[in-house]
Amino acid sequence: KQEVTQIPAALSVPEGENLVLNCSFTDSAIYNLQWFRQDPGKGLTSLLLIQSSQREQTSGRLNASLDKSSGRSTLYIAASQPGDSATYLCAVLDTGRRALTFGSGTRLQVQP
Amino acid sequence: GAVVSQHPSRVICKSGTSVKIECRSLDFQATTMFWYRQFPKKSLMLMATSNEGSKATYEQGVEKDKFLINHASLTLSTLTVTSAHPEDSSFYICSAVSTSQNTGELFFGEGSRLTVL
Repeated sequence: KQEVTQIPAALSVPEGENLVLNCSFTDSAIYNLQWFRQDPGKGLTSLLLIQSSQREQTSGRLNASLDKSSGRSTLYIAASQPGDSATYLCAVLDTGRRALTFGSGTRLQVQP
Repeated sequence: GAVVSQHPSRVICKSGTSVKIECRSLDFQATTMFWYRQFPKKSLMLMATSNEGSKATYEQGVEKDKFLINHASLTLSTLTVTSAHPEDSSFYICSAVSTSQNTGELFFGEGSRLTVL
């Protein structure tokens, strides 16, 4: 059974810092990996989708990498802003399974 | 990106009543939708897979008779929480994958917060 772990569980940084969120998964037979953002009491906003054949994806100040063989992904946020404060969720789609398995998330607080 | 709409966004009900939550794909067709449940400060747990025109597939530990799922069309799935109790209070989120896509990207609704008094 796929298990997804995210480290750290919570992170507080001053505005302007670059930061890295980590995600690991136990079964490397994945179809893709997605990073989401969730604001308190809200649904999910998709940030980046990395297919299993890809190594990284970039969108603005966000960069996500994928090392499928080692079961790891990182989300890099450059020049963090208070508006980046949210919970970031990593989720994997297993080959042959159509639902995502989620990590427990990293709660990010960017201090102005 | 594709849009998934959930309704209602918030619902408060008395213990013992039933509540229906709708999940609609607004600009794409979805043969499969997924229902997740999220407890406060916890991650999303898959409850069931909703299949258009057939029975839903439930995850282990999820009561089929408590959480009724109907997927009557390619754009609508409903989750009915029957005889709701306070422990059913939670945030329910649906997701869908487009039948015309092969990226496996899932699109999520805004969620429905259920409070059972």
